[in-house]
Amino acid sequence: GQQVMQIPQYQHVQEGEDFTTYCNSSTTLSNIQWYKQRPGGHPVFLIQLVKSGEVKKQKRLTFQFGEAKKNSSLHITATQTTDVGTYFCAGPSSGGSNYKLTFGKGTLLTVNP
Amino acid sequence: EAQVTQNPRYLITVTGKKLTVTCSQNMNHEYMSWYRQDPGLGLRQIYYSMNVEVTDKGDVPEGYKVSRKEKRNFPLILESPSPNQTSLYFCASSFSGAANTGELFFGEGSRLTVL
Repeated sequence: GQQVMQIPQYQHVQEGEDFTTYCNSSTTLSNIQWYKQRPGGHPVFLIQLVKSGEVKKQKRLTFQFGEAKKNSSLHITATQTTDVGTYFCAGPSSGGSNYKLTFGKGTLLTVNP
Repeated sequence: EAQVTQNPRYLITVTGKKLTVTCSQNMNHEYMSWYRQDPGLGLRQIYYSMNVEVTDKGDVPEGYKVSRKEKRNFPLILESPSPNQTSLYFCASSFSGAANTGELFFGEGSRLTVL
């Protein structure tokens, strides 16, 4: 079955450092979504990327979708303590179904103030 | 306020005692889904529903049942809970198929412990 892999599993940074998490799919994705889950909270949608090579920015967050639509990345510039949480990527299941969304295992980001 | 509401938020039960976790959304979403979250395993889809009376299995459906009799409600039923179903459960909804429109809205989560 389809696999969505994320690395790293954990990342600890000093406040002000940059952070990047990578997502790789075993199959080509029609789109990819990113979610953030604060400690003790629920996942919250950040963004969806659809086009090959797409780059989108949200303030200090930059999202990229690979040219082959099999990988994606989330980069945070100058991390803040409010960035703490687990970041998940998610892609539609292979086989044509647009109703099964497979999540990566997530990257847990901790920020030392 | 647009929201997905799950109940109960916390539950401790014993093996074999049937339980239902309710989920309700007030956004008129067609699509609803259940996920379980376990340490090191991320979010895994249990069941999903594309519309009323239309449901399908996710990646880990064993031991669970669902129903979708009304658009707003999507209860998760554990007929005979076992300790390996101890987990954090999330209900989520979106306007259309999750991968079509993006933006899954998640409930607050239900932490279930089966002894």
